[in-house]
Amino acid sequence: AQSVTQPDIHITVSEGASLELRCNYSYGATPYLFWYVQSPGQGLQLLLKYFSGDTLVQGIKGFEAEFKRSQSSFNLRKPSVHWSDAAEYFCAVGEEDQAGTALIFGKGTTLSVSS
Amino acid sequence: DSGVTQTPKHLITATGQRVTLRCSPRSGDLSVYWYQQSLDQGLQFLIQYYNGEERAKGNILERFSAQQFPDLHSELNLSSLELGDSALYFCASSLLGQGRIGGYTFGSGTRLTVV
Repeated sequence: AQSVTQPDIHITVSEGASLELRCNYSYGATPYLFWYVQSPGQGLQLLLKYFSGDTLVQGIKGFEAEFKRSQSSFNLRKPSVHWSDAAEYFCAVGEEDQAGTALIFGKGTTLSVSS
Repeated sequence: DSGVTQTPKHLITATGQRVTLRCSPRSGDLSVYWYQQSLDQGLQFLIQYYNGEERAKGNILERFSAQQFPDLHSELNLSSLELGDSALYFCASSLLGQGRIGGYTFGSGTRLTVV
């Protein structure tokens, strides 16, 4: 069965510092991988996705993620964090495109930004 | 505005009662997914409908049911409510079954409090 692990429950980063949020997945075939962000009281917003091709994907708000098949990882990075990036971040994995599947989400990493 | 509309935003009800949560998907999207978000369980997939038909089931209790209507809006019915059902319930939509195009679009959720 598919699963997603986000090892870090809570991370605090100084404003302007770099950020890396970890995500490990368990899946037999080539997964479809996503990162979502959730601000307090809001729904989830898609940051970026990986389906195939270039293993480094760019997303919105200056985020990027790198797919590493050998490590079953899809870590999210940002070179310089802004206070507005404080939120909860979810990694998700899905199967090939066909009706009858659903994304499986990790438990999330809460990002705090200190000044 | 993500284009996915969920009503009501907040709901407070007593144990043993029944409630209905409503979701209107983004225009053109055929799939609707329901997720439950709680502090201890994270985001749990409940059920998926695709163009009016149930396509996938996750950790949905027998006390819960859902349907998707011809106009593609969906309703999640929760009955015999228990304190543990208190959570944020999200609806997401996508064009296809797995959301290959851009991933899911989430609504802002319905916060259910059972007292």
